[in-house]
Amino acid sequence: DVKVTQSSRYLVKRTGEKVFLECVQDMDHENMFWYRQDPGLGLRLIYFSYDVKMKEKGDIPEGYSVSREKKERFSLILESASTNQTSMYLCASSLGQFTDTQYFGPGTRLTVL
Amino acid sequence: QKEVEQNSGPLSVPEGAIASLNCTYSDRGSQSFFWYRQYSGKSPELIMSIYSNGDKEDGRFTAQLNKASQYVSLLIRDSQPSDSATYLCAVNSIKAAGNKLTFGGGTRVLVKP
Repeated sequence: DVKVTQSSRYLVKRTGEKVFLECVQDMDHENMFWYRQDPGLGLRLIYFSYDVKMKEKGDIPEGYSVSREKKERFSLILESASTNQTSMYLCASSLGQFTDTQYFGPGTRLTVL
Repeated sequence: QKEVEQNSGPLSVPEGAIASLNCTYSDRGSQSFFWYRQYSGKSPELIMSIYSNGDKEDGRFTAQLNKASQYVSLLIRDSQPSDSATYLCAVNSIKAAGNKLTFGGGTRVLVKP
């Protein structure tokens, strides 16, 4: 079974803090994704990566950056957290072809005070 | 126009009845279509994928795809209270790099005993 893990289930940070969200997958998947999910807005893609050290902006990249130094690990960075970044953050991975399923991690509920 | 549209619901269905969920998409280049189920507070999990026009059945679930009309639907037969969840439609385009999915806003389904 594919396993996607995220470093924290719940996280509380203060405005202005630098926040790191980590995601690890164990199936040698090429592609990794970061989404945020908010009530009424659905799942929105922040960034994705289709190879080590490669990254592409998604629909809402502002205020975020990512890092993929190893194939299995994809990090989302909030350079200076703001209250409007309070959300559920979901990481996903997929093998490589456009027909391939995306598998999701359990999510991180981030609250920025 | 949103790229992937779903009725937000809630879709209320008596136990044992058929739940019918619809999804329309705007990109004619879309090639892969997925239905995810998301329980409250949990991450999305794949229940069906479909790539060709027609029907695809898996247990109590049937996905239907009509590329000419740009819609994909999901039927849940013999609905159970455990089917109460939000169902997300996701669409992939071969034009998009790295297997990028676009999600609809989801349809909330309530199965009443």
